[in-house]
Amino acid sequence: SQTIHQWPATLVQPVGSPLSLECTVEGTSNPNLYWYRQAAGRGLQLLFYSVGIGQISSEVPQNLSASRPQDRQFILSSKKLLLSDSGFYLCAWSRGVTLSGNTIYFGEGSWLTVV
Amino acid sequence: KNEVEQSPQNLTAQEGEFITINCSYSVGISALHWLQQHPGGGIVSLFMLSSGKKKHGRLIATINIQEKHSSLHITASHPRDSAVYICAVKAGGSEKLVFGKGTKLTVNP
Repeated sequence: SQTIHQWPATLVQPVGSPLSLECTVEGTSNPNLYWYRQAAGRGLQLLFYSVGIGQISSEVPQNLSASRPQDRQFILSSKKLLLSDSGFYLCAWSRGVTLSGNTIYFGEGSWLTVV
Repeated sequence: KNEVEQSPQNLTAQEGEFITINCSYSVGISALHWLQQHPGGGIVSLFMLSSGKKKHGRLIATINIQEKHSSLHITASHPRDSAVYICAVKAGGSEKLVFGKGTKLTVNP
């Protein structure tokens, strides 16, 4: 069966420090991978998505970046965190080329507090 | 105006009541997802719809493509149904999901 893991689950970081959130998917190959952010009181916002190794699409200009060094690994990074980066970050995956016929599966989420 | 609007924003019900959460969208879509987010933050997918109606246990989801509207119904609601329910649509020709802001449901015993 397919599973998705992301870590760390909780993170408290000072302003200006770097960030690395990691997500891995097991049990499937060539998944579409997504990073979402949910700020307090707001809906989910797509940050990045990837349809293959090294292929990253950015949806929102910001000081975050994403990388996909391996087929089932998706990393969210920042060189210098801002207070506004605080929020709940979710990794997700779906099969195949389209979300039309495929369910999306979410990781457990990572709570980031920038202080 | 958001492309995906959910109503109500907050909903409180007594155990056993029939619950309806609505989702309206303004773009052409190829699929609509209903998601459930528990207080700890974890999200699970409940339904993925492109037409008609789906049922899973006490949950029923319907979609009317012409009216650009979907509803999520919960029959015989239970306190464990308390969660945020999120509607998300996949616009045609895109791999992106556009999310509603969610409906927070509280079911009291």
